[in-house]
Amino acid sequence: GAVVSQHPSWVICKSGTSVKIECRSLDFQATTMFWYRQFPKQSLMLMATSNEGSKATYEQGVEKDKFLINHASLTLSTLTVTSAHPEDSSFYICSARDPGLAGNLLRFNEQYFGPGTRLTVT
Amino acid sequence: SQQGEEDPQALSIQEGENATMNCSYKTSINNLQWYRQNSGRGLVHLILIRSNEREKHSGRLRVTLDTSKKSSSLLITASRAADTASYFCATDPSTRNQFYFGTGTSLTVIP
Repeated sequence: GAVVSQHPSWVICKSGTSVKIECRSLDFQATTMFWYRQFPKQSLMLMATSNEGSKATYEQGVEKDKFLINHASLTLSTLTVTSAHPEDSSFYICSARDPGLAGNLLRFNEQYFGPGTRLTVT
Repeated sequence: SQQGEEDPQALSIQEGENATMNCSYKTSINNLQWYRQNSGRGLVHLILIRSNEREKHSGRLRVTLDTSKKSSSLLITASRAADTASYFCATDPSTRNQFYFGTGTSLTVIP
């Protein structure tokens, strides 16, 4: 199946600094990637939809100036948490759809998830 | 919020027993998917059921979908200790090209 990687897998940063998280589709080209945030023992909350070559679409309540998303290529999307604060500590997960599966009615809506990035802001 | 709800929030069973978890959602959907997440790890796709399907099987998994009630259930038969994880349903709304996850069920299978 399709593989999505994230880097780094975990990061600790000081309050006020910025952190960049990368999401890569390894064996397919993803025109759309999704970014989620998950607090401990909670579900995944969709933060934004990342579209290659255009601006990301943010969910209500997510600050676009704080969570900068760049999708400059068909295999890479980045999420930058700017001026991080302890309350931004969370598990960040990206996902992507494989447009090559568009002809497969059984699979074309599958999303492939990265392994996640654990961010701790001290 | 677009998020669906799952119940129970937590479920603890003995190995060999069946585990059933339910998911309710709010809007019309293209499909519904179930995912599994081991503690602190990424998600693993389990099964997808389309809006025109009522039941689907995959190994020890059985998923049902009732679009009139906007609900789905996941049954894991003959559970194993390795099934211990959190399980999430995710809906693909008809009107948006996005996913929304349910609140999740934490399953513990006791050996």
